[in-house]
Amino acid sequence: DTGVSQNPRHKITKRGQNVTFRCDPISEHNRLYWYRQTLGQGPEFLTYFQNEAQLEKSRLLSDRFSAERPKGSFSTLEIQRTEQGDSAMYLCAKDRLTDTQYFGPGTRLTVL
Amino acid sequence: RKEVEQDPGPFNVPEGATVAFNCTYSNSASQSFFWYRQDCRKEPKLLMSVYSSGNEDGRFTAQLNRASQYISLLIRDSKLSDSATYLCVVSLSGGYNKLIFGAGTRLAVHP
Repeated sequence: DTGVSQNPRHKITKRGQNVTFRCDPISEHNRLYWYRQTLGQGPEFLTYFQNEAQLEKSRLLSDRFSAERPKGSFSTLEIQRTEQGDSAMYLCAKDRLTDTQYFGPGTRLTVL
Repeated sequence: RKEVEQDPGPFNVPEGATVAFNCTYSNSASQSFFWYRQDCRKEPKLLMSVYSSGNEDGRFTAQLNRASQYISLLIRDSKLSDSATYLCVVSLSGGYNKLIFGAGTRLAVHP
């Protein structure tokens, strides 16, 4: 158990709909990350939070994507007006005192 | 050019074989290095960190060559349970830890 839960685990939506994913690090960790993984590729960095502050956003995070971390605990990732190219696994990770990151089980998004 | 490059495989090996994976990275400012393991449709899990002096964890040995910007992973006495995708990962660190992943090398161990 990596101490990160994500919900939902699977989401199927129609193109043009909005979706929201949630990440809960089970214990308090001040750094939280979002990644996206498409088939046959490694995860790609999307964004990073230190406490409630979003400190970096990848160019992959278009203006249809928004992430929040109110109160520095759980985080949400919202995709507006989904496109088929958004189909991917969305992974949340936290890091502990060392450099290593621990990933949640991911949310698998399918856009029809 | 990708920041982290790996041979995608698949590597098909019999149980008990020794198998080696290689990885190169392009940013000489990279500070931290890891191998993660990912089972099909699961999240990546840390296998081991990689240090310049080389390090070993049971049947797994990792090496780092900073001059050549090259990372390796050696698996001895392969088990069926080693079948997975192995992801080479680097980080620039410097205050936080944005991980940069290779596309992974797939290993299939057969009886």
